[in-house]
Amino acid sequence: NAGVTQTPKFRVLKTGQSMTLLCAQDMNHEYMYWYRQDPGMGLRLIHYSVGEGTTAKGEVPDGYNVSRLKKQNFLLGLESAAPSQTSVYFCASSRGAGTAFQETQYFGPGTRLLVL
Amino acid sequence: DQQVKQNSPSLSVQEGRISILNCDYTNSMFDYFLWYKKYPAEGPTFLISISSIKDKNEDGRFTVFLNKSAKHLSLHIVPSQPGDSAVYFCAAIPSGNTPLVFGKGTRLSVIA
Repeated sequence: NAGVTQTPKFRVLKTGQSMTLLCAQDMNHEYMYWYRQDPGMGLRLIHYSVGEGTTAKGEVPDGYNVSRLKKQNFLLGLESAAPSQTSVYFCASSRGAGTAFQETQYFGPGTRLLVL
Repeated sequence: DQQVKQNSPSLSVQEGRISILNCDYTNSMFDYFLWYKKYPAEGPTFLISISSIKDKNEDGRFTVFLNKSAKHLSLHIVPSQPGDSAVYFCAAIPSGNTPLVFGKGTRLSVIA
């Protein structure tokens, strides 16, 4: 089991460029999440999905879009990158909701994004 | 408004001593609490959890204590080891289908 994988590991963008971050999980989890981590800010939820074909906004959704066309994949898109989106992005997945067992999230290794 | 607060951004402890990481919360409806550990350049990993109906959960060197009346939980690491140096996140599970709520983290440094 690879768990949660993220592609790419590192990327440099110019302001205004677009890109897609890919997250894949092989644990058959229903829920998937995208976070960003910035110094002193902890983990902030961008978007999440409670199942294939569903998405929902998190705490900081502006400037990002997501899609969950397949259960195992969760894509995070930046249509027009801005320097404020320079961050480390983490994807996570969980079985579901309701108990600690179901809601324990498993994280990918992160994608470091620099927007110039 | 932050629902889960970790008021100490950093903590330094000598190897072999006890590390105590604290977390406060405001929402009395939280059902479960979890602690995650994060090393640099890696994703967070689950460490230990506690249900709101318990006041203590232990796993090896790690013990989490929950004080519901004070809306406070703490993670104790005994004895602390240099490999415990990491950022520790406290998280809470609201009722319903809403995602985990994370604190901002506490950086623990265990000095040999």
